[in-house]
Parts: sequence; structure tokens; C-alpha cells
Amino acid sequence: EVQLVESGGGLVQPGGSLRLSCAASGFTFSAYEMNWVRQAPGKGLEWISQISGDTNTIYYADSVKGRFTISRDNAKSSLNLQMNSLGAEDTALYYCARTRCTSSSCYRDYWGQGTLVTVSS
Amino acid sequence: QSVLTQPPSVSAAPGEKVTISCSASNFNIGNNYMSWYQQLPGTAPKVLIYDNDKRPSEIPDRFSGSKSATSATLDITGLQTGDEADYYCATWDRSLRVYVFGTGTKVTVL
Repeated sequence: EVQLVESGGGLVQPGGSLRLSCAASGFTFSAYEMNWVRQAPGKGLEWISQISGDTNTIYYADSVKGRFTISRDNAKSSLNLQMNSLGAEDTALYYCARTRCTSSSCYRDYWGQGTLVTVSS
Repeated sequence: QSVLTQPPSVSAAPGEKVTISCSASNFNIGNNYMSWYQQLPGTAPKVLIYDNDKRPSEIPDRFSGSKSATSATLDITGLQTGDEADYYCATWDRSLRVYVFGTGTKVTVL
């Protein structure tokens, strides 16, 4: 059974940093691209980053580029998100999601339950 | 910036049909494959439709997707109270290299 379990969320002051992790199990982690998606309270979904299985290809949303860094440890089946220079606009529930690709396109087929990040003084 | 626009809300009685539209600005939706996600209250999103019109095996055929040159559509037939949720379209913008979610639609069963 595929499982994604996020951790590392919490309360952080504006300008601070936080590191999120996602523990994956039930599949060959290195074979899949992985994502971080966030959802601010009462708002919609916002994709923020994706990393390829071999870590060679990384994409970011403009809203986090230069502040957030996605990484992975395939030996530990772990996905990470280092978040720096946090602001109130980064307050959200952060989901880890797996990418599945068909011959036509890619979509996000498994999601964790999320970890909450609150940026406040 | 790519934007996928959905109606904020739709509603219908149990057993009826709802249609959720998804239109794109700043990129050509006709060249992109669409996915649809359901987010039940307090839970993580779940994929309903991928490649415009394909369903994962566990998704009932009450949910169907389609796409034209200018928009994508999610139809839910035989509406049930358990379908009350937020629904999002999404696609990969190849030019900007970002995954774009729609603005989301809240489905209410009257």
C-alpha cells in the first residue's frame, strides 16, 4: 500500500526557516517524481515544486523560487522541502504527492495527509 | 501566469447531474491533458480523472471528464450527498514548467 506521511510543520516566525519531510513507503520511491502542494486556510490548491526520481530535474512555482529547496533521499525514501524567508503568505497545509505518468500526461496519484505550517509572530 | 478558471460553486439535488467547467487563460488548453481532483472536507485531494477522460479503477463511472479546444469539463451524474466536496482541474503548463490547479469548485447537494 502506498503511503506518504509528512512531518516537520509547526509555528515559525516571519523570516524564519522550516524543513518539511515526507516519508514514502509501498512503492519504489526512486522511480517516481515527487511534489509539494500547499493549501492556505480556506483556499485552493497550489503546486509549489517537483523533483525527478534521479534529482536531476527540479521545478518551482514562482511564489517560492529562491526561498524553498526541494530534495530527496532515495536511500531513505524521503522527500524534503527546505523553506527559508517565510512570510505570512506561506501559512498553509503542505502536502506531499506522487506523480504518475501515462503515455499522454502526468498527474498526482497519491497524496499524504499534510503537515501544517503557520507563519506568525 | 497561467490560470485555470472554474465556477466557485455548483449545486443540484440528489440523483441529478452537475457540470463543472475549467477554462484557461494565458495558455492553450487544447494542447494540454487535464486531470480532475476531488477534495472531501478535511481530507487530502484524490484524483478522479486523468488524461482528460480516464478514471482510476476505483472511481465510479458517475464521474466523467471531457475536453474541447477551449475548456475541460467534469460531469457528476447521479449526485450523492457523499459527493459534496471541492473539485479542482489541473494540468502541466509545458512552457512555464509548472503544474497549475484550477480555482476550485464547491459542489453542494441540495
